Amino acid sequence: EAGVTQFPSHSVIEKGQTVTLRCDPISGHDNLYWYRRVMGKEIKFLLHFVKESKQDESGMPNNRFLAERTGGTYSTLKVQPAELEDSGVYFCASSQDRVGVGYTFGSGTRLTVV
Amino acid sequence: SQQGEEDPQALSIQEGENATMNCSYKTSINNLQWYRQNSGRGLVHLILIRSNEREKHSGRLRVTLDTSKKSSSLLITASRAADTASYFCATEGGAQKLVFGQGTRLTINP
Repeated sequence: EAGVTQFPSHSVIEKGQTVTLRCDPISGHDNLYWYRRVMGKEIKFLLHFVKESKQDESGMPNNRFLAERTGGTYSTLKVQPAELEDSGVYFCASSQDRVGVGYTFGSGTRLTVV
Repeated sequence: SQQGEEDPQALSIQEGENATMNCSYKTSINNLQWYRQNSGRGLVHLILIRSNEREKHSGRLRVTLDTSKKSSSLLITASRAADTASYFCATEGGAQKLVFGQGTRLTINP
């Protein structure tokens, strides 16, 4: 089966610009998560979708970040406008609909804001 | 201190030796998971241990969990060059989300 796919793998944008990251989860996985690792710090949870609904968005840093999952398939994470501190690696993960099965992560999108 | 702290932050050993990494956490958990990240790549799920388990094996990996001390260890036996990577522990509590540690950077020297 195909894994979790993230696009683009790298993005370099200027401060103030907009960037949209995309994640395609494993087919059949209702749960989709976004995490990020900034400046070599720990990987932190951003939000969790169950199908198209936001189950938990407590990790979203501010209203410059908007995540969507229309139709309950792929998800996008938009950063608008991007700030320098948004630089880091953004990971997407998906899992089956129960706790304790482990998560499948994508390769991440490395975002650099200059 | 952060939930899911790892110790050591960096570890360098010779190929063939065993590598042990430790993880501590603060809150109650349903399970604890270990992930590996090779340079520039995504996180790969290695092993999951539930809160009612004390030890688990998978190939050359051995994970222990001590819920009374809120700690876990990951042992990689007979290390290989391909084991060079960053290793993260992550805890899962009542909510379906992971809390990660800062990771241990493991280098296997030939």
